[in-house]
Amino acid sequence: QKEVEQNSGPLSVPEGAIASLNCTYSDRGSQSFFWYRQYSGKSPELIMSIYSNGDKEDGRFTAQLNKASQYVSLLIRDSQPSDSATYLCAVPLFGNEKLTFGTGTRLTIIP
Amino acid sequence: EAGVTQFPSHSVIEKGQTVTLRCDPISGHDNLYWYRRVMGKEIKFLLHFVKESKQDESGMPNNRFLAERTGGTYSTLKVQPAELEDSGVYFCASSALPTGIVGTDTQYFGPGTRLTVL
Repeated sequence: QKEVEQNSGPLSVPEGAIASLNCTYSDRGSQSFFWYRQYSGKSPELIMSIYSNGDKEDGRFTAQLNKASQYVSLLIRDSQPSDSATYLCAVPLFGNEKLTFGTGTRLTIIP
Repeated sequence: EAGVTQFPSHSVIEKGQTVTLRCDPISGHDNLYWYRRVMGKEIKFLLHFVKESKQDESGMPNNRFLAERTGGTYSTLKVQPAELEDSGVYFCASSALPTGIVGTDTQYFGPGTRLTVL
């Protein structure tokens, strides 16, 4: 089992719909969770961070964290074609500061 | 505020040659990280500097890789001699020192250097 696991996709969502991206992690003690968006050939761009159980909303993005289930998700409401990218889940595990990444989920928004 | 910058953006070298990658972190960020993504795989950690000191180099593949951060500002990553399996995208990231304030551990990534070893 990978330490940070994501469904690699590809995930196709119609424009205007909700895109749901999921991530599980292996370290029950992890405290910080990050979602990065990466366009092809570009750098990972931080879009959401979450530290507490529950939901955190920022514009069209909502991060959801459930530490008991070791699960973090990202919801994108009113999906736009510009949201088409690879979404990376990253977690500092086992008290380390380095990030452990999932393989990323490739999201395509269909106009 | 300028972001993390990396140079060069692309490098194509032959097996056995030497390549040096450079990273300039966000001004004032004492943490500097190197990561690498090889084709088809996830981004993986290589090395972490705090100021000029190597905090964690557990991800460095072998002794052909040498990272430095003299003066605690920019960092270089040298690969000597390069092998075919070193091809990939090398990312640098930086963050401020943790202060106990939530969010100060956020890492900001540079655009990466795409290394191709032929």
